[in-house]
Amino acid sequence: GQNIDQPTEMTATEGAIVQINCTYQTSGFNGLFWYQQHAGEAPTFLSYNVLDGLEEKGRFSSFLSRSKGYSYLLLKELQMKDSASYLCAVLDSNYQLIWGAGTKLIIKP
Amino acid sequence: GAVVSQHPSWVICKSGTSVKIECRSLDFQATTMFWYRQFPKQSLMLMATSNEGSKATYEQGVEKDKFLINHASLTLSTLTVTSAHPEDSSFYICSARGGSDNEQFFGPGTRLTVL
Repeated sequence: GQNIDQPTEMTATEGAIVQINCTYQTSGFNGLFWYQQHAGEAPTFLSYNVLDGLEEKGRFSSFLSRSKGYSYLLLKELQMKDSASYLCAVLDSNYQLIWGAGTKLIIKP
Repeated sequence: GAVVSQHPSWVICKSGTSVKIECRSLDFQATTMFWYRQFPKQSLMLMATSNEGSKATYEQGVEKDKFLINHASLTLSTLTVTSAHPEDSSFYICSARGGSDNEQFFGPGTRLTVL
């Protein structure tokens, strides 16, 4: 079956750095997405990786290793507004998005 | 970036009534639209995938006669929850994908409460 694993919850301090890991086993691979979702709101797009390596976008970076079925989202200079759930999703061979359960990130002052 | 709207943002209805939710892609043509449901503290659950002009493909366990999906044009898809019951109360989110772009653009979601 298809499976996306990511930690349920993480806690970090304002100003610090946090890395949210995601491992996947899917039928085919056409890219991996990271989305941010605040409580009661729809997800918003953060990043898309289809090739191995690190993609940097401001305070957020996303890494992909296709051979390891592994990705991480790196958040730097954490702000209180970064408190949210972070969803990892893989586009499978049928171009369907397979979703992880999300990682709730709690930022403390 | 691409914008997807949903209407209404929230709705409260009595048990047994039907509710229609609209999803529109405002500045691009959405060849494929997706409908998700999300219960509190849970991940998104794909309900169905619809391509313009064809019948929707429903995920296992989703009743197609209860959740009617119409993708009448490249910019509009509707989800109708028929004979809603309290257990249908949830956050319904649509997303749209256009052309060769793999990214899905999400609508803001509709919170449905069935009394």
